[in-house]
Amino acid sequence: GQNIDQPTEMTATEGAIVQINCTYQTSGFNGLFWYQQHAGEAPTFLSYNVLDGLEEKGRFSSFLSRSKGYSYLLLKELQMKDSASYLCAGMDSNYQLIWGAGTKLIIKP
Amino acid sequence: GAVVSQHPSRVICKSGTSVKIECRSLDFQATTMFWYRQFPKQSLMLMATSNEGSKATYEQGVEKDKFLINHASLTLSTLTVTSAHPEDSSFYICSAREGGGGETQYFGPGTRLLVL
Repeated sequence: GQNIDQPTEMTATEGAIVQINCTYQTSGFNGLFWYQQHAGEAPTFLSYNVLDGLEEKGRFSSFLSRSKGYSYLLLKELQMKDSASYLCAGMDSNYQLIWGAGTKLIIKP
Repeated sequence: GAVVSQHPSRVICKSGTSVKIECRSLDFQATTMFWYRQFPKQSLMLMATSNEGSKATYEQGVEKDKFLINHASLTLSTLTVTSAHPEDSSFYICSAREGGGGETQYFGPGTRLLVL
């Protein structure tokens, strides 16, 4: 079966760094997406990885290891506005997104 | 990035009425659009996938006669919740992607439906 696993909740301190892990099992693989969703709002696109390695985009970076079925989202210099849920989604061979349940990130001052 | 709009953003209706939600891609042509539902503190649930000009593909457990989806053009898809009941109250979110392959899905802002 297809499955995406990520932690339910994480807590971090303002100004610090946090890494949100995601493991995936999909039928075929066409990439790994990360989305951010603030409470009461729709998800917004953060990153897409299809090749192994680290993609950096400002304070956010995303990493993929296809051999391990593993990805992480790295958030640096955390700000209070980064408090949100972070959704990991794997794209299968039919180009359908398989969604994780999301990781709720709580930022404390 | 690509922009997707949804209308209305919030709707309150009486039980038994029908509600139509529009999803538009504003600066790109969306070959494929997706409709999701999200209950409070739960993950996104895909309801259906629609390709322009063809019938929508519904996920298991989603009643196609209750949730009517029309994708009449490359920039517009509509979801009609027919004979809405209080248990249909939820956050409905559409997303769109340009092609039929691995392109990024961009989400609309969502529609919050409350059925009294």
